[in-house]
Amino acid sequence: QKEVEQNSGPLSVPEGAIASLNCTYSDRGSQSFFWYRQYSGKSPELIMSIYSNGDKEDGRFTAQLNKASQYVSLLIRDSQPSDSATYLCAVHNAGNNRKLIWGLGTSLGVNP
Amino acid sequence: GAGVSQSPSNKVTEKGKDVELRCDPISGHTALYWYRQSLGQGLEFLIYFQGNSAPDKSGLPSDRFSAERTGGSVSTLTIQRTQQEDSAVYLCASSAGTGVYFGPGTRLTVT
Repeated sequence: QKEVEQNSGPLSVPEGAIASLNCTYSDRGSQSFFWYRQYSGKSPELIMSIYSNGDKEDGRFTAQLNKASQYVSLLIRDSQPSDSATYLCAVHNAGNNRKLIWGLGTSLGVNP
Repeated sequence: GAGVSQSPSNKVTEKGKDVELRCDPISGHTALYWYRQSLGQGLEFLIYFQGNSAPDKSGLPSDRFSAERTGGSVSTLTIQRTQQEDSAVYLCASSAGTGVYFGPGTRLTVT
């Protein structure tokens, strides 16, 4: 079992729709969860962090965390073509070294 | 404030040559990561430095790869006797514990 899993996609949504991106993790003791956006040819960019169960909203983005189910998701409301990118889920290892563990990313395309 | 910087931005080298890639992390960040990313692929973890702890080298693909971090700040990734399969973008990231911040990367091409 991979430590952090994401559907590779591609996920395609029409402009204005809600895009839902999902991530599961294996380490039950993980404490910190992050979503990154990576445009083609660019470095990953941190867009959301979440540390406790529930929802966290920032503009059009909402991160949802359910530690019991070991599941974290990212919702993008009113999707725009500029949201087309690969979205990476990252989880802080709960061990002593706190190394960041990455999913392989989900490719999102927003169609005008 | 200044972000993570990396140099050079591009490097073309001949097979068999050694290369050094440099990373300047955000000031005060105790954690530093090196990753490799090939075209269309995910992030490949290489090495992780956290404060004064021994680095986690578990991702280095061979003994041709090494990295050091001097004074808890600047880091250098060295690839000896480069091979064509080493061609990729090498990304450095630093963290103070609440997510990592990436540099722009070094695109390495081995001809």
